Amino acid sequence: NAGVTQTPKFQVLKTGQSMTLQCAQDMNHNSMYWYRQDPGMGLRLIYYSASEGTTDKGEVPNGYNVSRLNKREFSLRLESAAPSQTSVYFCASRTAYGYTFGSGTRLTVV
Amino acid sequence: GENVEQHPSTLSVQEGDSAVIKCTYSDSASNYFPWYKQELGKGPQLIIDIRSNVGEKKDQRIAVTLNKTAKHFSLHITETQPEDSAVYFCAASNPGGSYIPTFGRGTSLIVHP
Repeated sequence: NAGVTQTPKFQVLKTGQSMTLQCAQDMNHNSMYWYRQDPGMGLRLIYYSASEGTTDKGEVPNGYNVSRLNKREFSLRLESAAPSQTSVYFCASRTAYGYTFGSGTRLTVV
Repeated sequence: GENVEQHPSTLSVQEGDSAVIKCTYSDSASNYFPWYKQELGKGPQLIIDIRSNVGEKKDQRIAVTLNKTAKHFSLHITETQPEDSAVYFCAASNPGGSYIPTFGRGTSLIVHP
């Protein structure tokens, strides 16, 4: 019962470096989401994909890109990391209403 | 767009006491209200939800109430246990927003043994 799997769990980047956060779900859900979580700010939507082949911006998309590789996989890319992108990133997929979240990636940009 | 306010930001109770977390929302079209529990180092997990055609829903020690007129909903935890300690998030969503929820900022619940 894997659910939503995120890799890596931890990452430290230098300012200007790039990286891709990976997410895969095995529940055959159509919709997938990327959130960031910062202290006192709750969960803010970065990008989402309502179905395979589509992606849309959320509340805080600047500095990020996404790829919906297939129905299972939805990746988040930071092209040139900045300290403001230090955060915990969560991927989620959705049933009719409720989300299933991954365990998160803790990213630090120095 | 939707705006969800959640209070309190921190709640400290003794084991066995009840805990109540309150949320308000702004968009009267919102019709689905989930609650998530996030334990340390883990992703949020859906624990209970309520739809706008229902005023109250219970699941063992947790319950959620909804007042559509006042646009607020609450999470009630009875007989709290140390394992209830976590961050709790409320959310509101509606068909106009493609059911993408707007989250509250979270409540850190601490249950003291």
